[in-house]
Amino acid sequence: DAGVIQSPRHEVTEMGQEVTLRCKPISGHDYLFWYRQTMMRGLELLIYFNNNVPIDDSGMPEDRFSAKMPNASFSTLKIQPSEPRDSAVYFCASSPVGSDGYTFGSGTRLTVV
Amino acid sequence: EDQVTQSPEALRLQEGESSSLNCSYTVSGLRGLFWYRQDPGKGPEFLFTLYSAGEEKEKERLKATLTKKESFLHITAPKPEDSATYLCAVQAGGGGNKLTFGTGTQLKVEL
Repeated sequence: DAGVIQSPRHEVTEMGQEVTLRCKPISGHDYLFWYRQTMMRGLELLIYFNNNVPIDDSGMPEDRFSAKMPNASFSTLKIQPSEPRDSAVYFCASSPVGSDGYTFGSGTRLTVV
Repeated sequence: EDQVTQSPEALRLQEGESSSLNCSYTVSGLRGLFWYRQDPGKGPEFLFTLYSAGEEKEKERLKATLTKKESFLHITAPKPEDSATYLCAVQAGGGGNKLTFGTGTQLKVEL
């Protein structure tokens, strides 16, 4: 089991550009979560999916952020247009139903200049 | 709204010097309280889940305990390899599988 796989590991982009972060969850996990981590606010839930359906997107900061899960093995988080305040580490995590805990990916460190 | 507060923000210990990290929480119907360890540049790694007041779980030098308002992570005779950020999170009943995290305690254990 390769765990939760995120790409890219690092992304540096200019303000106004579109950014797409990718995640492959663990096979068989029904839940997928996108979190953002900053020094000031810690880990914040952006959105989560159950069986590919978005359940709660109340943490998505604004319309510039969107997330999709077209199938059980792939999800994307898109920011368009990006802004410097979006700079953070973005984590994807997955869990099976009734799980005792999530498995996190290694994260994508996003820097918007 | 679910809230998790961790203290202290940072803790420096000498090797072998035992201590405790605190996690205070408010949640509507606790389903579970989770502890994670996070090393620099990596994602959080699951340690424990506690489900009810009075429950305790242990793993090597770590022991987690739970009351109705807070949880403690006790570290006995720590070693430098225990240095990491320790995160606490709560899962509310009826909240799906989502977790609300605290901002963590950064632990450094020195020789």
